[in-house]
Amino acid sequence: DAKTTQPTSMDCAEGRAANLPCNHSTISGNEYVYWYRQIHSQGPQYIIHGLKNNETNEMASLIITEDRKSSTLILPHATLRDTAVYYCIALKGGSNYKLTFGKGTLLTVNP
Amino acid sequence: DAGITQSPRHKVTETGTPVTLRCHQTENHRYMYWYRQDPGHGLRLIHYSYGVKDTDKGEVSDGYSVSRSKTEDFLLTLESATSSQTSVYFCAISEGLGGATWTQHFGDGTRLSIL
Repeated sequence: DAKTTQPTSMDCAEGRAANLPCNHSTISGNEYVYWYRQIHSQGPQYIIHGLKNNETNEMASLIITEDRKSSTLILPHATLRDTAVYYCIALKGGSNYKLTFGKGTLLTVNP
Repeated sequence: DAGITQSPRHKVTETGTPVTLRCHQTENHRYMYWYRQDPGHGLRLIHYSYGVKDTDKGEVSDGYSVSRSKTEDFLLTLESATSSQTSVYFCAISEGLGGATWTQHFGDGTRLSIL
């Protein structure tokens, strides 16, 4: 699975969009990009995933560049409850049993 | 929310004692996982299961064993607990193994302290 690189921390004002970047320059054609988050003391929570096209669900949008070397997770209207560590993971089929989560980005939403 | 229940939620025990953590799911998912989370290390996979009686090791499996006698239950056992196994343990489930089917859903965790 491709290595991903994320900033250690980011801040965002409540009500504004939070844009979390992820670099995955060695991603292969059959690797998906997954995003998870972990709110303090809770289990990780699935947010969204994508392969090539941009994706949107009730939680967030995922923008993947045309060359697939990077992606951005967008929380359109961040709230205080979105303060969490966000993990970007590149994953291909059949190999994830060895998967480990990296250190992610700590997003702090400020009032 | 996915139906995943971990028990106990908190446990304090002594070095050398056996400990069993239970993960119960109501989703009928094939794959189940045990992770541990420690400061500075993120989530690390201990063991996983790809069906009843089918299990395999993750990256930090030493000192741990698992069993899965039913689809819904995945047990993690510390045969002789050590202080280095003090951690937060998470169970996860998924329908598939990779790609679009890999979405994992996690339990609320078990905080284990070994004195």
